[in-house]
Amino acid sequence: AQKVTQAQTEISVVEKEDVTLDCVYETRDTTYYLFWYKQPPSGELVFLIRRNSFDEQNEISGRYSWNFQKSTSSFNFTITASQVVDSAVYFCALSGPLNTDKLIFGTGTRLQVFP
Amino acid sequence: DADVTQTPRNRITKTGKRIMLECSQTKGHDRMYWYRQDPGLGLRLIYYSFDVKDINKGEISDGYSVSRQAQAKFSLSLESAIPNQTALYFCATSAASTGKETQYFGPGTRLLVL
Repeated sequence: AQKVTQAQTEISVVEKEDVTLDCVYETRDTTYYLFWYKQPPSGELVFLIRRNSFDEQNEISGRYSWNFQKSTSSFNFTITASQVVDSAVYFCALSGPLNTDKLIFGTGTRLQVFP
Repeated sequence: DADVTQTPRNRITKTGKRIMLECSQTKGHDRMYWYRQDPGLGLRLIYYSFDVKDINKGEISDGYSVSRQAQAKFSLSLESAIPNQTALYFCATSAASTGKETQYFGPGTRLLVL
C-alpha cells in the first residue's frame, strides 16, 4: 500500500534557526513522484517542489532545500534561517498508482516560527 | 487573477440541505480533482476527472457527486449534507501529459454543516 508518514505533528523554532521536516513514504511503484506543499494560515495550498524517483540529487531553492534518499524512502525538507513567514502547515505527498494521478498526502507538520 | 478559483469560499448550511461547490480554472488543464481536508488527516481525494467525459471516484466519494460541465469547470455536490462533511474542500488541476504532473490547488472552501 502507498503511504506517506510525517511523524512530526508540530515543530516550534525561534527565528533564524534551521529546521528539518521529515517525510517517509511507502510505495511499490518503481516510478513515482514526491511533492511538498505549504499551507499558510490563510488556508491555500502552495506548491513547493516536485521530484521524480529517478532523480536523487538534492535541491536547493533559496532558504529551502530537499534531501531525497531512496535507500531510506525519505524526502526531507529543510528551511535554513527560518523566518516568521515560514509558519505554516507543510504537507508531503506521493503520486498514486499509475494512470490515476491520485496524490497521497501525509498528515502534515505544523511549523511555528517565533520572533 | 487566480488560476484556480472556488466559490463560495465559506458556506454554512444545515443538515439535509443540498449544496454545490464550484471550481473554475484558467490554466487550460484537462484534469481536475476534489479533495477534502480534515484536521489531522491531511487531504483525501473525493473525485477526479481526466476530461469532460471521464469522472472517477476517489477514496471517499460516498455522499458526494460531481459534474464536469466544461474543461474549465468541475462542481462538487453534497446531495444531503451531514455534520461530518464539515471540512475544508479543495479543487485542484493538473495538465495531462505523463500522468504525474503537479497538481495546483484552489484557495479552498470552508464548509460548516450544522
